[in-house]
Amino acid sequence: QVQLQESGPGLVKASETLSLTCSVSGYSISSGYQWGWIRQSPGRGLDWIAIIYHSGSTYNPSLKSRVTISMDRSRNQFSLNLTSVTAADTAVYFCARLGSIWHYYFDSWGQGNLVTVSS
Amino acid sequence: QSALTQPPSASGSPGQSVTISCTGTSSDLGSYNSVSWYQQHPGKAPKLMIYEVTKRPSGVPDRFSGSKSGNTASLTVSGLQTEDEADYYCSSYAGSNNLVFGTGTKVTV
Repeated sequence: QVQLQESGPGLVKASETLSLTCSVSGYSISSGYQWGWIRQSPGRGLDWIAIIYHSGSTYNPSLKSRVTISMDRSRNQFSLNLTSVTAADTAVYFCARLGSIWHYYFDSWGQGNLVTVSS
Repeated sequence: QSALTQPPSASGSPGQSVTISCTGTSSDLGSYNSVSWYQQHPGKAPKLMIYEVTKRPSGVPDRFSGSKSGNTASLTVSGLQTEDEADYYCSSYAGSNNLVFGTGTKVTV
């Protein structure tokens, strides 16, 4: 059974770069599927951030200029970088597995990592 | 890309049914059979409950069912149980490697 675990700082200063890593266990990310990041601002809904495929990546248009998603197959991890953060980027960040490249649903999720942007 | 529209809240008594709507546009939800539903308890990660409009992942009770008509999808929870009290989010593929989530509905049992 696949398990995902986010890791990274809980506090980031405004204008700096937010970096998170998702460690995957129980499944080799090299074997297939796609992987993504989703965030949830306090008291609000879900927003997708980025998805990485074996042949590339796709980003939420509203964040595209500030986001990079990458994969480290040797460590069975994938990562998120979000530059020039502001208070609006304060959120719980989830990593997840995309269950289908055709239907875009996330079938396994990490527990989430709260990131607070401080001024 | 605008979020899919869901009612902020819905409620029902134990044993009753509740239906949550999720409205999009002809550019997203209306164009694809790629609607999914997630359940989220407070402080927890979302859990996939329905995918591809009507399919249930293994382990999800058949009390949960999904449907779609035009630009609106629906999630019905039959035989409500106290553990069904949670936030529910819909999601849809929106074309061009893009997806969109719903605004979320708090279900009270």
